[in-house]
Amino acid sequence: DVKVTQSSRYLVKRTGEKVFLECVQDMDHENMFWYRQDPGLGLRLIYFSYDVKMKEKGDIPEGYSVSREKKERFSLILESASTNQTSMYLCASSQAAGGGDEQYFGPGTRLTVT
Amino acid sequence: QKEVEQDPGPLSVPEGAIVSLNCTYSNSAFQYFMWYRQYSRKGPELLMYTYSSGNKEDGRFTAQVDKSSKYISLFIRDSQPSDSATYLCAMSLYYTGNQFYFGTGTSLTVIP
Repeated sequence: DVKVTQSSRYLVKRTGEKVFLECVQDMDHENMFWYRQDPGLGLRLIYFSYDVKMKEKGDIPEGYSVSREKKERFSLILESASTNQTSMYLCASSQAAGGGDEQYFGPGTRLTVT
Repeated sequence: QKEVEQDPGPLSVPEGAIVSLNCTYSNSAFQYFMWYRQYSRKGPELLMYTYSSGNKEDGRFTAQVDKSSKYISLFIRDSQPSDSATYLCAMSLYYTGNQFYFGTGTSLTVIP
């Protein structure tokens, strides 16, 4: 079974803090993704990576950065957390490039910024 | 206009009912169509996957794609309380790699 794990299920941070969200997948997948999920807005892609040290901006990259130093690990960084970044963050991975490849999701991290 | 539109519901049905969930989309280049199920406080998991137009059946679930109308559907027969979840449609373009476009999700409750 594919397993995608995220470092925290729940996280509370203060405005202005630097926040790291970690994601690890154990199936040697090429692609990894970070989404945020908000009521009424659905899943929105923040960043994705199709190879180690490679990254591509998604639809809403502002205020975020990512790091992929190892194939199995993809980190999302909030440089200076703000209240509008309170959300559910979901990490996903998929095997290879090409349309339609299944994305496997982690359980999510619910981040609250106060 | 959003790439993918989905009625958020909530939808509440009695056990045993047939459920119809739908999404419309604007980009005629979408080739792959998926339905994900997301239980409360969990990540989405793939339920059904279809390529191009047509129907696909898996047990109590049937996915339909009508590319001419830019409309996809998921039917659940003999719905069960365990089907209570949020259902998200997703679609992708073949040539641009692996970016998925998700609907906002429809919340479904099946009442015993």
